[in-house]
Amino acid sequence: NAGVTQTPKFQVLKTGQSMTLQCAQDMNHNSMYWYRQDPGMGLRLIYYSASEGTTDKGEVPNGYNVSRLNKREFSLRLESAAPSQTSVYFCASSEGAGESPLHFGNGTRLTVT
Amino acid sequence: QKEVEQNSGPLSVPEGAIASLNCTYSDRGSQSFFWYRQYSGKSPELIMFIYSNGDKEDGRFTAQLNKASQYVSLLIRDSQPSDSATYLCAVSANAGKSTFGDGTTLTVKP
Repeated sequence: NAGVTQTPKFQVLKTGQSMTLQCAQDMNHNSMYWYRQDPGMGLRLIYYSASEGTTDKGEVPNGYNVSRLNKREFSLRLESAAPSQTSVYFCASSEGAGESPLHFGNGTRLTVT
Repeated sequence: QKEVEQNSGPLSVPEGAIASLNCTYSDRGSQSFFWYRQYSGKSPELIMFIYSNGDKEDGRFTAQLNKASQYVSLLIRDSQPSDSATYLCAVSANAGKSTFGDGTTLTVKP
């Protein structure tokens, strides 16, 4: 039972490069989320998808795009990476939107130089 | 004012003591409240959730919610060194949006 799987685990980018973070869940959850966590801080919501076919901005969406490819997969794209995007990125899923607990992936540690 | 505020840490308690973690929130429409534990370098994992005013107990953990005071807390009884972690309070008002506090780091000393 894999739960929420994120790839890659680590990534180093140069300023201006692009990349896509992948996330897949096998729990048949409806909702999926992307959060970032900076040192000593809680998680800040980047984008979320309450159900297949819908996406909405969270607290810090600038510089990111998302795609809800199907019910299982939710990807996060950085079109032109900036040092301010150095962070740990967590994908999460929940059975319902808002009222259900989040199940997190293991995270992607991204460094932008 | 931040939407979700947690008592600033770090918090240190001796083994066997009660650890008390507090969280206040600003949105009176909040309906769902969660406590997550995060070990260093790991992802958050759910400890407790609570939806109604009052206490909810699960083993050594008790969550307390007071919607009138916009306050939620987590008590850990008989604290163990393995409880040493950062505890994140999360609050959800609207569908799809859980807002997190910055976390409180707990150290349980043997």
